[in-house]
Amino acid sequence: NAGVTQTPKFQVLKTGQSMTLQCAQDMNHNSMYWYRQDPGMGLRLIYYSASEGTTDKGEVPNGYNVSRLNKREFSLRLESAAPSQTSVYFCASNIEEVDTGELFFGEGSRLTVL
Amino acid sequence: AQKVTQAQTEISVVEKEDVTLDCVYETRDTTYYLFWYKQPPSGELVFLIRRNSFDEQNEISGRYSWNFQKSTSSFNFTITASQVVDSAVYFCALRESNFGNEKLTFGTGTRLTIIP
Repeated sequence: NAGVTQTPKFQVLKTGQSMTLQCAQDMNHNSMYWYRQDPGMGLRLIYYSASEGTTDKGEVPNGYNVSRLNKREFSLRLESAAPSQTSVYFCASNIEEVDTGELFFGEGSRLTVL
Repeated sequence: AQKVTQAQTEISVVEKEDVTLDCVYETRDTTYYLFWYKQPPSGELVFLIRRNSFDEQNEISGRYSWNFQKSTSSFNFTITASQVVDSAVYFCALRESNFGNEKLTFGTGTRLTIIP
């Protein structure tokens, strides 16, 4: 019953450092998403992958890259972290049926950039 | 472009009171889906309900009820006889009907505090 698993759960970076957030789902979902959550801003979509081998930009993609490694895994990379990227990051995957649209979320990764 | 507005940033009520969380949406699609998610203090996001644009029937699930009105583009959420465990941030979200593009647009959330 793992669902969506994100690692790490907490990370502190210095400005300019790079890191990758890992996400894996075991529900055989096609679609996967990365959101960031900031106070007063709700959740904003960074990137998504509608299927293995495809990725698309969301609302706030600048400063991020993604890789859909296989059907299970979708990673988010910060090449040169900036304080503005301090946030809580959520990975999500989508249930198969088109007309439901329910997202299953990971527990979140809290990133602080100093 | 689609948009979701949750005008209430924070609400506090005394336990056992009823409370309504407002959600107003904008979309040009005639087919769309609306959602509510709950984020308790532990931080995870929990799916509460999905409603499609063809179904304006109100829904009740225990102490929770949802009122969907297309005429006012609203999808409001009411908690009856609130409990401390209802304290959380609640997000309303919208998905348009593009096949293969199931990304959600979220509102900014309403922080609900239930005072014992």
